[in-house]
Amino acid sequence: AQKVTQAQTEISVVEKEDVTLDCVYETRDTTYYLFWYKQPPSGELVFLIRRNSFDEQNEISGRYSWNFQKSTSSFNFTITASQVVDSAVYFCALRRALTFGSGTRLQVQP
Amino acid sequence: ETGVTQSPTHLIKTRGQQVTLRCSSQSGHNTVSWYQQALGQGPQFIFQYYREEENGRGNFPPRFSGLQFPNYSSELNVNALELDDSALYLCASSLESLNEQFFGPGTRLTVL
Repeated sequence: AQKVTQAQTEISVVEKEDVTLDCVYETRDTTYYLFWYKQPPSGELVFLIRRNSFDEQNEISGRYSWNFQKSTSSFNFTITASQVVDSAVYFCALRRALTFGSGTRLQVQP
Repeated sequence: ETGVTQSPTHLIKTRGQQVTLRCSSQSGHNTVSWYQQALGQGPQFIFQYYREEENGRGNFPPRFSGLQFPNYSSELNVNALELDDSALYLCASSLESLNEQFFGPGTRLTVL
């Protein structure tokens, strides 16, 4: 069975603060993929990143960075210098069958 | 390149009725997955279609059924609607079954 846990239900920060969204997963698969999606108020899920289980290199894309640690089954997402436009619900997901966490609602205050 | 589209945007049905939701996959994508997202929760996997065949199913009853057409568009059918079926139904397409999925805007179904 697969499971994704996003323990932070809601986070509120002030603009320009850094924020880290936690994701812990469980799977018996030896090969799997991890994803992060953003869901703004419009409702459409926006793909952010895919990570293979055999690639533990951290990734940075602009203000976004991801820390994948297989030893602790975690795939955390950090937004540096947060902006109001980052306000959304963020989902971590695990594949082979795409299993989503319950999401973390991020509120960035101006 | 056209993204994933879904129709209708909103739908209101009554208990016991049947509903059909439609999804057009992104150009070049051969895999379509359907998800149900209840308010305040993460999407739940319903099933996936790959090259017109069902390729995996989540924990949903048989009254949730689907179809994928030769052009890779897809339908989700729900029979005997229940109040708990009220949710946002999301369709996602991908090139091959394990690649990243791109989501449509969803259909919001309300069952009264």
